[in-house]
Amino acid sequence: SQKIEQNSEALNIQEGKTATLTCNYTNYSPAYLQWYRQDPGRGPVFLLLIRENEKEKRKERLKVTFDTTLKQSLFHITASQPADSATYLCALGYSSASKIIFGSGTRLSIRP
Amino acid sequence: EAGVAQSPRYKIIEKRQSVAFWCNPISGHATLYWYQQILGQGPKLLIQFQNNGVVDDSQLPKDRFSAERLKGVDSTLKIQPAKLEDSAVYLCASSLQGGTGELFFGEGSRLTVL
Repeated sequence: SQKIEQNSEALNIQEGKTATLTCNYTNYSPAYLQWYRQDPGRGPVFLLLIRENEKEKRKERLKVTFDTTLKQSLFHITASQPADSATYLCALGYSSASKIIFGSGTRLSIRP
Repeated sequence: EAGVAQSPRYKIIEKRQSVAFWCNPISGHATLYWYQQILGQGPKLLIQFQNNGVVDDSQLPKDRFSAERLKGVDSTLKIQPAKLEDSAVYLCASSLQGGTGELFFGEGSRLTVL
């Protein structure tokens, strides 16, 4: 079965630096990959989607890359702020009607 | 635009009791999902509906969990009888396009089974 691996350890970053989160998957590549943010006690909130034929997507301070050869997606937050502290989830989808599978998430802490 | 509504937000029950969770998706969203999120883990899909029909329920423990989506709008997830390992947050999500569309999540229903 498909496995999704995200940084199991929490990531602690100094404010202003770039935070980089990793999402690795096994077996076959997804048709698309999504990133979500989840705050404690809240539901996940969608951030970005990248398709298998796209190498990179940007949205404000966020950047996502997708390397189907490495079976990996990287999620970057530039000029990080304490308000960016949250858990970030990657999610994979395989067709227009398929289910979306989530990774276990990476907890990110930005210290002032 | 109103978001995905879920209730109750919190529920505490004894093992072997039953519980039901309700979800009202965003108006016009054809696809509805129920996810289970155990503390420290990512959301695990339990069931996916497209309008009234079930698209995927492969990870739904059908001996104790059931879900329905009447008239392609609201949905109810039931657990009967509950086990200790069912303690989790039950998240409902909906999407407009299904599949590649972004998921809009509710705040979740936190279940504690004693």
